[in-house]
Amino acid sequence: AQSVTQLGSHVSVSEGALVLLRCNYSSSVPPYLFWYVQYPNQGLQLLLKYTTGATLVKGINGFEAEFKKSETSFHLTKPSAHMSDAAEYFCAVSDLEESGNTPLVFGKGTRLSVIA
Amino acid sequence: DTEVTQTPKHLVMGMTNKKSLKCEQHMGHRAMYWYKQKAKKPPELMFVYSYEKLSINESVPSRFSPECPNSSLLNLHLHALQPEDSALYLCASSQEQGNTIYFGEGSWLTVV
Repeated sequence: AQSVTQLGSHVSVSEGALVLLRCNYSSSVPPYLFWYVQYPNQGLQLLLKYTTGATLVKGINGFEAEFKKSETSFHLTKPSAHMSDAAEYFCAVSDLEESGNTPLVFGKGTRLSVIA
Repeated sequence: DTEVTQTPKHLVMGMTNKKSLKCEQHMGHRAMYWYKQKAKKPPELMFVYSYEKLSINESVPSRFSPECPNSSLLNLHLHALQPEDSALYLCASSQEQGNTIYFGEGSWLTVV
């Protein structure tokens, strides 16, 4: 069964600083990995995803993530934080080879605060 | 276009009421989902429909009753809810079950 661990329930960065949100997963088969963002009082928006191919994935709003199989990680980064990036970020894993599995397993989420 | 539309955005209902949440997508997706999200928690899967047939029911109480009238619509019928059922209910869809999931904006439910 898959699982996702997001290190740090709350991360605070200064505007213009590097954003790094950590995600580690466990899966018995090659996983599909996702980052979703949830702004206050809104639904979840897909930021980026890794399925196959290039391990460095670029998403919307300047975010990117790198799939590192040896470290079982899929950390999310952005070179320069903007005030509008303040939100809750969820890492999720999907095991597409086992039919009937829960479609997405979410981490507990990391709340990103951006300080002016 | 990855739009999933949910109505109503806010719903307040009493414990004896019957109400419904509605979800619509016009992306030709054949899998649709209901998730429940409590404050400061990740979404929890409730139901999955694949090709209009119930595929996954995550042991949800019978006071929640899903319905998929056609490939574009998904309803969640609510009856005799409890205050602890108050949450954000998210609808989502994907091209097929197991593909990338796209979420709607959610319906905020308060049970009084």
